[in-house]
Amino acid sequence: DGGITQSPKYLFRKEGQNVTLSCEQNLNHDAMYWYRQDPGQGLRLIYYSQIVNDFQKGDIAEGYSVSREKKESFPLTVTSAQKNPTAFYLCASKVGSGGNEQFFGPGTRLTVL
Amino acid sequence: DQQVKQNSPSLSVQEGRISILNCDYTNSMFDYFLWYKKYPAEGPTFLISISSIKDKNEDGRFTVFLNKSAKHLSLHIVPSQPGDSAVYVCAARYTGNQFYFGTGTSLTVIP
Repeated sequence: DGGITQSPKYLFRKEGQNVTLSCEQNLNHDAMYWYRQDPGQGLRLIYYSQIVNDFQKGDIAEGYSVSREKKESFPLTVTSAQKNPTAFYLCASKVGSGGNEQFFGPGTRLTVL
Repeated sequence: DQQVKQNSPSLSVQEGRISILNCDYTNSMFDYFLWYKKYPAEGPTFLISISSIKDKNEDGRFTVFLNKSAKHLSLHIVPSQPGDSAVYVCAARYTGNQFYFGTGTSLTVIP
């Protein structure tokens, strides 16, 4: 049963702490993405990766970091430098440069107290 | 700078009638367009798509129309069903790897 998993569904952290959000896919997709969703706004791209050990910044990368050590995994770290980290975070994947559709995980709601 | 815009936050339609959801974009380099269905606090689910070289794509009750000269696309749902009630998000692909998303239109189908 292929798909994208994100864990946990809800995450709470204290201000000033780094936190890592998990994203795993077993679709054998090459490309993976992290988006952020805020109320009243469309999804905004944080980082994306087209292949293992390579990733590019999106429109709102400041305060975030990623790694892509394995094809299946693309974790996102929200650092203390991110000024407004409370948001809904979505991970997605795509076949590769020739793929047309992105497939999304269920999302993680991060609340920083 | 919002490159993909959905100017109608909400739409209500009677069951059995047509639902028309609209989307405008600004970047003429977008080469692929997609519609997603989304529920609150969940990831979007792919619905239907269209290449920039086409002007229509149909899949069952769902049809997407693309007007490149107007930089406009629309999603038609006929007939609308209560189960179609959700947020519909328009997206556009740039250079094969980056996607831009609209803010969504909340569709309510009234039984």
